[in-house]
Amino acid sequence: AQTVTQSQPEMSVQEAETVTLSCTYDTSESDYYLFWYKQPPSRQMILVIRQEAYKQQNATENRFSVNFQKAAKSFSLKISDSQLGDAAMYFCAYRSASGANSKLTFGKGITLSVRP
Amino acid sequence: GAGVSQSPSNKVTEKGKDVELRCDPISGHTALYWYRQSLGQGLEFLIYFQGNSAPDKSGLPSDRFSAERTGGSVSTLTIQRTQQEDSAVYLCASSPGAGGPRSYEQYFGPGTRLTVT
Repeated sequence: AQTVTQSQPEMSVQEAETVTLSCTYDTSESDYYLFWYKQPPSRQMILVIRQEAYKQQNATENRFSVNFQKAAKSFSLKISDSQLGDAAMYFCAYRSASGANSKLTFGKGITLSVRP
Repeated sequence: GAGVSQSPSNKVTEKGKDVELRCDPISGHTALYWYRQSLGQGLEFLIYFQGNSAPDKSGLPSDRFSAERTGGSVSTLTIQRTQQEDSAVYLCASSPGAGGPRSYEQYFGPGTRLTVT
């Protein structure tokens, strides 16, 4: 079974600075997808960024980018120019590329606070 | 377009009562998922529907939990004889399903917070 580990329960960043959230995972599969979701106090899970395991290039979405290290099974999220609105819980998630097993497996999440 | 919607937003029920939670997926999405988010267990998969295929019920914690998806669209999660440990946020997600770019992405609704007293 796949597992996702987020070992840092909380992090804090100064507004306009850069922060990196860590995530590691364990799987025996070679083809899969990885995601970062943001959950603000409103509870709405928002998809921030996705990475296909077969792609070597790291995904980027505006101020959000990932560092995907397939051999190390590491998938960290970098937030540049942090904004107050970035404060939320962030979840790392894994999904098999197998159509028969498409559920998401989540890490425990990390609470990010942004200092003005 | 409209996102995933869920109702009710909050539900308080007495231990032993049955509850029904509703999910309306994004129009055209063939895949629908239910997850549960609780303090002790984090985010857990419950059940998955894909088109007309038999659902994947492997995440349901007990036989008190069941779900239906009518007409390939709206889904209802039913919890019978609720227990205090059922208190959690129940999240629904939908996905475009097989084929197409980013068909593997899941989009979540705002969740239903269930409190069992």
